Amino acid sequence: DAGVTQSPTHLIKTRGQQVTLRCSPKSGHDTVSWYQQALGQGPQFIFQYYEEEERQRGNFPDRFSGHQFPNYSSELNVNALLLGDSALYLCASRKSFGTVYNEQFFGPGTRLTVL
Amino acid sequence: GQNIDQPTEMTATEGAIVQINCTYQTSGFNGLFWYQQHAGEAPTFLSYNVLDGLEEKGRFSSFLSRSKGYSYLLLKELQMKDSASYLCAVPPGTDSNYQLIWGAGTKLIIKP
Repeated sequence: DAGVTQSPTHLIKTRGQQVTLRCSPKSGHDTVSWYQQALGQGPQFIFQYYEEEERQRGNFPDRFSGHQFPNYSSELNVNALLLGDSALYLCASRKSFGTVYNEQFFGPGTRLTVL
Repeated sequence: GQNIDQPTEMTATEGAIVQINCTYQTSGFNGLFWYQQHAGEAPTFLSYNVLDGLEEKGRFSSFLSRSKGYSYLLLKELQMKDSASYLCAVPPGTDSNYQLIWGAGTKLIIKP
């Protein structure tokens, strides 16, 4: 049973460029959340996708957008990259129902560096 | 507002016991999570408390006091591999299906 997978592992971009990060949820999971984690900080919620729609959104600008596909995988797109976008981007998946508590399983993350 | 506070860093000795505290303020409450995160890796689930009291799971235990907005993670028989950041997180409202609000994490350093 594969866990949450993310690609790529590392990415280097320059200011102004655009980036797409990808996530495949754990088998049986249908809800995907994206988090941004700056060095030395806790994860910050970006948004959550369920049934191919954005259901919840954190305090992030419109430069951050996403998509969920019918197979539940998801993409995070960031446009017009800023130096401050450099962070570890985490994808987490869970079942939308049938669990006693909301345990999320995290992928290994994508380390984005903006130069 | 909603806020989670944890100490930034703690140091302990191999074989000893350490307690990592977390205080929180949320508009509703639907449980508190503890995650472990090794440097450069994703967080991994340690515990979930929704009722007051202590829950023990091997070398790790987690305590919750809802009236005080307080939790702690207790690590016993510390091993070098326990060197990591420990993050406290809560759902922001009463619906457990929403995203989590995270503390900044406590970096635990284990010395021989």
